[in-house]
Amino acid sequence: ILNVEQSPQSLHVQEGDSTNFTCSFPSSNFYALHWYRWETAKSPEALFVMTLNGDEKKKGRISATLNTKEGYSYLYIKGSQPEDSATYLCAFSGGDMRFGAGTRLTVKP
Amino acid sequence: EAQVTQNPRYLITVTGKKLTVTCSQNMNHEYMSWYRQDPGLGLRQIYYSMNVEVTDKGDVPEGYKVSRKEKRNFPLILESPSPNQTSLYFCASSLTDRGRTDTQYFGPGTRLTVL
Repeated sequence: ILNVEQSPQSLHVQEGDSTNFTCSFPSSNFYALHWYRWETAKSPEALFVMTLNGDEKKKGRISATLNTKEGYSYLYIKGSQPEDSATYLCAFSGGDMRFGAGTRLTVKP
Repeated sequence: EAQVTQNPRYLITVTGKKLTVTCSQNMNHEYMSWYRQDPGLGLRQIYYSMNVEVTDKGDVPEGYKVSRKEKRNFPLILESPSPNQTSLYFCASSLTDRGRTDTQYFGPGTRLTVL
């Protein structure tokens, strides 16, 4: 994988549902994998930076895992709330920084 | 408050009219960069700067210029804007190392329309 790919592109869930999405990235020349949360009309905000294979990070109801050998990271949101609605971006940091196109999450009350 | 600021936030201009988008950070970060965001595409890096007077091209530098005369400021210059530069632009900064392992802090974005 030369580029960073995120799936799905968009996701609609009901309040209270748990959800997850995927970021796939090149498995060579790895420095770090970043996750950002981007609300409409605001700046992307950092959620996690992960550097080691097997890393797991957690912030409240949001957590992420990292597999550098196979080149993927999962972001999980437990018990989604309407305020979780945003676009979630991942960025692969190798020789340069490459962003995925994002997963747009909409949580319906 | 630690922040990255950009001005203007919105700009509508015409083809060929030179413009500058300013970016300033108050965190004493060494690394700053400019990205553009287009629908269906990830953020793409235009230029970055490792420190004062040190700048380099990113993935999509054509049609853009930058300068880094002071550590806190990193303006983006469009000498002769064209409609394909209509986009949402973000400035970002991080402490060091090109943001590889450092968190990048983003500005609020500048929505540019070139007619």
